[in-house]
Amino acid sequence: EAGVTQFPSHSVIEKGQTVTLRCDPISGHDNLYWYRRVMGKEIKFLLHFVKESKQDESGMPNNRFLAERTGGTYSTLKVQPAELEDSGVYFCASSQGTAFGSPLHFGNGTRLTVT
Amino acid sequence: GQQVMQIPQYQHVQEGEDFTTYCNSSTTLSNIQWYKQRPGGHPVFLIQLVKSGEVKKQKRLTFQFGEAKKNSSLHITATQTTDVGTYFCAGRNTGTASKLTFGTGTRLQVTL
Repeated sequence: EAGVTQFPSHSVIEKGQTVTLRCDPISGHDNLYWYRRVMGKEIKFLLHFVKESKQDESGMPNNRFLAERTGGTYSTLKVQPAELEDSGVYFCASSQGTAFGSPLHFGNGTRLTVT
Repeated sequence: GQQVMQIPQYQHVQEGEDFTTYCNSSTTLSNIQWYKQRPGGHPVFLIQLVKSGEVKKQKRLTFQFGEAKKNSSLHITATQTTDVGTYFCAGRNTGTASKLTFGTGTRLQVTL
């Protein structure tokens, strides 16, 4: 079974530019999550999709971040325009269900550096 | 909002010594999960605890969920260099079924 894949693995962009991150969850997983880890600190929740619907986007920092999951398969996270504080590792995770907590399967992450 | 803190932030032990990380939530949790992230890697699920006072073991690792379901601990007996990494607890509070809030993490370094 293929795991969660993320692309790109690394991205270096200048402040003000746009970056789009992609996540392909494990096939059959309806739940898809985006998390971010900044400067080796805690892993912060960004949002949660159930199929193509946003279940919880309370962690999205501001309107410069846009997440989509058209068709309920892969997801994209766009940052536009990027700011220096957006640097960090963006993790995508998927799970089969949320009832009483199915484990999350994480991708390898995208390391974003904004200069 | 919900906060999940872990202590210590960092611990350096010699191989063979024991290690414990403690996780404390500001709210009551419906369940708690533990993850391990190796340097340069991604978080990998270790275990889930659901019941108050629950204790689970995985070889040298012992996980405990507090009676009040607001705290948890992970204890590693006789650490090995393969235990190196950052250990995160993650909990869902009773009011929000979907959001898994991660703790601040404890980075473990093991040397020979």
